[in-house]
Amino acid sequence: NAGVTQTPKFRVLKTGQSMTLLCAQDMNHEYMYWYRQDPGMGLRLIHYSVGEGTTAKGEVPDGYNVSRLKKQNFLLGLESAAPSQTSVYFCASSGTGLSYEQYFGPGTRLTVT
Amino acid sequence: AQSVAQPEDQVNVAEGNPLTVKCTYSVSGNPYLFWYVQYPNRGLQFLLKYITGDNLVKGSYGFEAEFNKSQTSFHLKKPSALVSDSALYFCAVRDLYGGATNKLIFGTGTLLAVQP
Repeated sequence: NAGVTQTPKFRVLKTGQSMTLLCAQDMNHEYMYWYRQDPGMGLRLIHYSVGEGTTAKGEVPDGYNVSRLKKQNFLLGLESAAPSQTSVYFCASSGTGLSYEQYFGPGTRLTVT
Repeated sequence: AQSVAQPEDQVNVAEGNPLTVKCTYSVSGNPYLFWYVQYPNRGLQFLLKYITGDNLVKGSYGFEAEFNKSQTSFHLKKPSALVSDSALYFCAVRDLYGGATNKLIFGTGTLLAVQP
């Protein structure tokens, strides 16, 4: 049982390049989330999904797109990377009960130059 | 608006001493509260949660938290700190306006430094 996994762990992009971050969970969770973590700002929700085929915007969605074609996978895309997107990105998943906690992946450190 | 505040950016404590990491919340209705820990270069790990019932909640690694409704606080505590407890701690509250999404609203984090 691997929990939540993320690939890649590190990435350096040039401004304007695109990339996709992959999140996978093996806990059969319905809900999945993408966050970014920046110093002094805690975690901010980018996009989330409440089930296969669904996505919704979070607090800071601009410049990102997501897809959830399979229940276990949640992809985060950057179509044209900007230096402001330099951050650590975390994926999380959760069951559907209100008392359910979120389980986090190990993170992806992205640098945009 | 719903929010979580962690008033201290950093807490310093000597090994063996008790520690407290503070968290206050602002929500309408009954809060669902969580504490997470993040070790360097790692993801967040769940420590404990308060949903209902006993105001003193026990969690992983000897941590506990006290829910205080009148003070709208959920402070994290440990009777005797270890150097290995040094990490970044996040308080979070369930977004009650988020519908059936289990979204969380996080505080900005408190860095706990335990000196040997």
